[in-house]
Amino acid sequence: GQQLNQSPQSMFIQEGEDVSMNCTSSSIFNTWLWYKQEPGEGPVLLIALYKAGELTSNGRLTAQFGITRKDSFLNISASIPSDVGIYFCAGRGNAGNMLTFGGGTRLMVKP
Amino acid sequence: DVKVTQSSRYLVKRTGEKVFLECVQDMDHENMFWYRQDPGLGLRLIYFSYDVKMKEKGDIPEGYSVSREKKERFSLILESASTNQTSMYLCASSPWAVYEQYFGPGTRLTVT
Repeated sequence: GQQLNQSPQSMFIQEGEDVSMNCTSSSIFNTWLWYKQEPGEGPVLLIALYKAGELTSNGRLTAQFGITRKDSFLNISASIPSDVGIYFCAGRGNAGNMLTFGGGTRLMVKP
Repeated sequence: DVKVTQSSRYLVKRTGEKVFLECVQDMDHENMFWYRQDPGLGLRLIYFSYDVKMKEKGDIPEGYSVSREKKERFSLILESASTNQTSMYLCASSPWAVYEQYFGPGTRLTVT
């Protein structure tokens, strides 16, 4: 099946720092989604991307759909303690409504 | 707001037991999904359903079955639970031809 490599696996940063994470695929995706999961909860959708090159923001979060359609990036500016959680990318290829998920980036923020 | 609920947040079962995990969504979504989540492996699709009584295998269906008798409800069944099925189970739903999935809070299942 399709594989999504998400990096880094974990990050421990100081409050106020900017954060970058990315996902890469061995095949082309038509949709990229970014989710955040807080401890003990299910993932919550943050941003959805539908076109190559698309750049979309949601507050301090910005995500981009890579031009090659094989990658996507998520940036968080001026991190705060409530940004703590696991961030997942998910991509949709040509297989109907199914998504492939990355392994997640665990973000820890030190106040 | 979309609401996806799961019947239990925590469940402990013994090896060999039959286990039912229930998921209900209140937004009239056509598609429903069951995933398991294990550290470092992300979310892996077990089964999904795009209509009542319809089901499709995902990436890891072995050891699981599903049932969708009503549009709002999607059940995951472990016919004979094994310790390697200890995991977090997440249910999700989405409207037809919309790729954004909405997740429930998860059920953490421990099989001893």
